[in-house]
Amino acid sequence: DAKTTQPTSMDCAEGRAANLPCNHSTISGNEYVYWYRQIHSQGPQYIIHGLKNNETNEMASLIITEDRKSSTLILPHATLRDTAVYYCIALDRGSTLGRLYFGRGTQLTVWP
Amino acid sequence: ETGVTQSPTHLIKTRGQQVTLRCSSQSGHNTVSWYQQALGQGPQFIFQYYREEENGRGNFPPRFSGLQFPNYSSELNVNALELDDSALYLCASSLAFSYTFGSGTRLTVV
Repeated sequence: DAKTTQPTSMDCAEGRAANLPCNHSTISGNEYVYWYRQIHSQGPQYIIHGLKNNETNEMASLIITEDRKSSTLILPHATLRDTAVYYCIALDRGSTLGRLYFGRGTQLTVWP
Repeated sequence: ETGVTQSPTHLIKTRGQQVTLRCSSQSGHNTVSWYQQALGQGPQFIFQYYREEENGRGNFPPRFSGLQFPNYSSELNVNALELDDSALYLCASSLAFSYTFGSGTRLTVV
């Protein structure tokens, strides 16, 4: 699976949009971009995923560049409860083994 | 729908002992995978079970073993515990690349 690169930490004011970048320059055609987050001492929580097109759900939006070498997760109105470690993962859904490769992620801190 | 349940939530073991961790899959999910998360690190893939057989393994020694049962629940067994095995152990059940994680078991080896 392609490796992803994320900033170690970011912060954001409550109510503002949080934009979390991810680089995945070696991503292959079979690999989807998944985002998970992990609130302290809990299990990772699925946020969103996409292949080529931008995606939006009730939690977030995912913007993938046309060359698919990078993406941005957008939390449109961050709240204190969005403080967590966010993981960007490239997942090969063409493989029978759906292993999620977690890097160190980005620690997002939302401040009042 | 039920989520993924792991037990116990915390336990303390002595170096050299053996431990069994348990995981109940989310309803309808037929695949279970286990992850180890050391403090300050992202989760690391241990292995995955599908139809009661291991079908993928990460870089973990054979003293890490597992089982999956007909109801898709699973166990992770670790023999000859070492201090470095202290970590949060996460179970994830999945169906067609939809993964749901449990809250994990915090294992401390002393």
